[in-house]
Amino acid sequence: DPKIIQKPKYLVAVTGSEKILICEQYLGHNAMYWYRQSAKKPLEFMFSYSYQKLMDNQTASSRFQPQSSKKNHLDLQITALKPDDSATYFCASSQGLGGSSYEQYFGPGTRLTVL
Amino acid sequence: GDSVTQTEGQVTVSESKSLIINCTYSATSIGYPNLFWYVRYPGEGLQLLLKVITAGQKGSSRGFEATYNKEATSFHLQKASVQESDSAVYYCALSDQGGSFNKLTFGAGTRLAVCP
Repeated sequence: DPKIIQKPKYLVAVTGSEKILICEQYLGHNAMYWYRQSAKKPLEFMFSYSYQKLMDNQTASSRFQPQSSKKNHLDLQITALKPDDSATYFCASSQGLGGSSYEQYFGPGTRLTVL
Repeated sequence: GDSVTQTEGQVTVSESKSLIINCTYSATSIGYPNLFWYVRYPGEGLQLLLKVITAGQKGSSRGFEATYNKEATSFHLQKASVQESDSAVYYCALSDQGGSFNKLTFGAGTRLAVCP
């Protein structure tokens, strides 16, 4: 059974619209993350959460808003979508944040295309 | 900021031949970063292949090895004899102990194609 679920797998949106990417983890982890991979670019860190609190935000735009309704959920709301937001978005989780050595487990990703 | 540079594009290797994927890094913190290799097999999610958090140490998994060389700031991935099932995309990554909480900085990825 998949341990990190991301929904939907594929998403097509129009410019200016708003979408929510869903992430749920069933590993009992306390920390969750979002990464993004645009075409021909490396995976890029976006956010880290620990016990449902934002720990780090490395996105330049407030259009990206993580939402954590439960400890094992970290959704990503994206508003005013732009074609440059087209990417695969990966959710990840780890047992904790301390020590920087905790293994991060990744979900399968949501591929977003903005037309 | 932190950066990771690895062998670009695709590497094609015949089955049972040896493999090396180069990785060099630059980290901004005073201490030494933690280093990782992740792999994405076709149709699957990203998964950790191996990690080394102590400079000078070697990590190994599934026949792959990588040594943390702090002098050369390198963490090359090697395997003595590849199999067709090793075909995947490999990512070198680091987490900077003095930086953001558990932020992973990734290289661009190297696609390995193993020919029978």
